[in-house]
Amino acid sequence: NAGVTQTPKFQVLKTGQSMTLQCAQDMNHEYMSWYRQDPGMGLRLIHYSVGAGITDQGEVPNGYNVSRSTTEDFPLRLLSAAPSQTSVYFCASSYKGAVAKNIQYFGAGTRLSVL
Amino acid sequence: GEDVEQSLFLSVREGDSSVINCTYTDSSSTYLYWYKQEPGAGLQLLTYIFSNMDMKQDQRLTVLLNKKDKHLSLRIADTQTGDSAIYFCAEISSRNSGNTPLVFGKGTRLSVIA
Repeated sequence: NAGVTQTPKFQVLKTGQSMTLQCAQDMNHEYMSWYRQDPGMGLRLIHYSVGAGITDQGEVPNGYNVSRSTTEDFPLRLLSAAPSQTSVYFCASSYKGAVAKNIQYFGAGTRLSVL
Repeated sequence: GEDVEQSLFLSVREGDSSVINCTYTDSSSTYLYWYKQEPGAGLQLLTYIFSNMDMKQDQRLTVLLNKKDKHLSLRIADTQTGDSAIYFCAEISSRNSGNTPLVFGKGTRLSVIA
């Protein structure tokens, strides 16, 4: 199984550019999430989804949009990139089942630099 | 609100035991988790403990939970250089509908000295 696949692995943007970070999972997980990881800040939740067609904001949603048109895909869009969005971005997914619903499976991350 | 606190760094000698500590604020937490992040990779689940347990052991890993003090610890016996990584504590609260993803601590960077 591929698990959670994120593309691209690395990206450099100029301030003001837009782009989409892709995330796909092949485990039929209902829950998907986007986090950013910054030194000394740990993981901060950007947006999450509990199923196709349903999304909600996390701790740091400003500057990012998401959509969930299918169970498999959960793209993260940067509308107008800013240097403060330089970070490592992780996508994660999990089952909705009672015990395992919060055992999250993470992608390998996208390292984004905004100049 | 929910908050998870961890010390940022821990250094141990190879073969010694490592103890990584975590405190949380939500007394209604039902499950508590330990994740491991190796360099350049995403997080992977190490182990988890249900809130009605005091201890869980899995090979070299021992998780201790003190609900009264809201304190969680991860002990790694016979620490190896391959254990060098960042370890994250995380919790889920029973108060929400279960839709909110995990709340993570900032992570403890474990360095193992050969």
